Amino acid sequence: DAGVIQSPRHEVTEMGQEVTLRCKPISGHDYLFWYRQTMMRGLELLIYFNNNVPIDDSGMPEDRFSAKMPNASFSTLKIQPSEPRDSAVYFCASSRQGAWADTQYFGPGTRLTVL
Amino acid sequence: QKEVEQNSGPLSVPEGAIASLNCTYSDRGSQSFFWYRQYSGKSPELIMSIYSNGDKEDGRFTAQLNKASQYVSLLIRDSQPSDSATYLCAVCLFYGGSQGNLIFGKGTKLSVKP
Repeated sequence: DAGVIQSPRHEVTEMGQEVTLRCKPISGHDYLFWYRQTMMRGLELLIYFNNNVPIDDSGMPEDRFSAKMPNASFSTLKIQPSEPRDSAVYFCASSRQGAWADTQYFGPGTRLTVL
Repeated sequence: QKEVEQNSGPLSVPEGAIASLNCTYSDRGSQSFFWYRQYSGKSPELIMSIYSNGDKEDGRFTAQLNKASQYVSLLIRDSQPSDSATYLCAVCLFYGGSQGNLIFGKGTKLSVKP
């Protein structure tokens, strides 16, 4: 199995630009999670999906962030407009069961820098 | 505010020693507990999960859970330089149905000296 795939691996953009991060979960995994990691705040859950349906988006920082999962093999996290404080590593993870009962498999992450 | 607290370290131990990593959590209703390892520049990977009070051993790793004290620990026996990484404690509260949130601590950086 290829594991969780994320693209791009690195993204450098200017403040105000739209950024789209992409994720392909492991086949057969019903749960998909988006996290953000910074030195100051650690690893934070932004949103997660079960069977393509968003279950909890309470971690999404503000309306500039949106996430979609149009099918079982693809999800996007969009930031519009981007700001320097959005600079972080964004991880996508997937699991067969929910976070309380199963291993989450993390993708390699997207390192986002907003200038 | 649900919190998971870890000493940020760095924790430095000599090769072959026992490394002890600790974690406390604030929500008494938490039900699932995990230790993830993250090498510098890499993504987290699960090394241990524990769901009930007591010890759980897997090779050189032992996870310990004390729900009364809201305390989780990870012991690494015979520490190796390859164990040098940041260890993230994660705690999950299950709300029912398909709802449950995993909250991560900020991690403890472990350095094993040859």
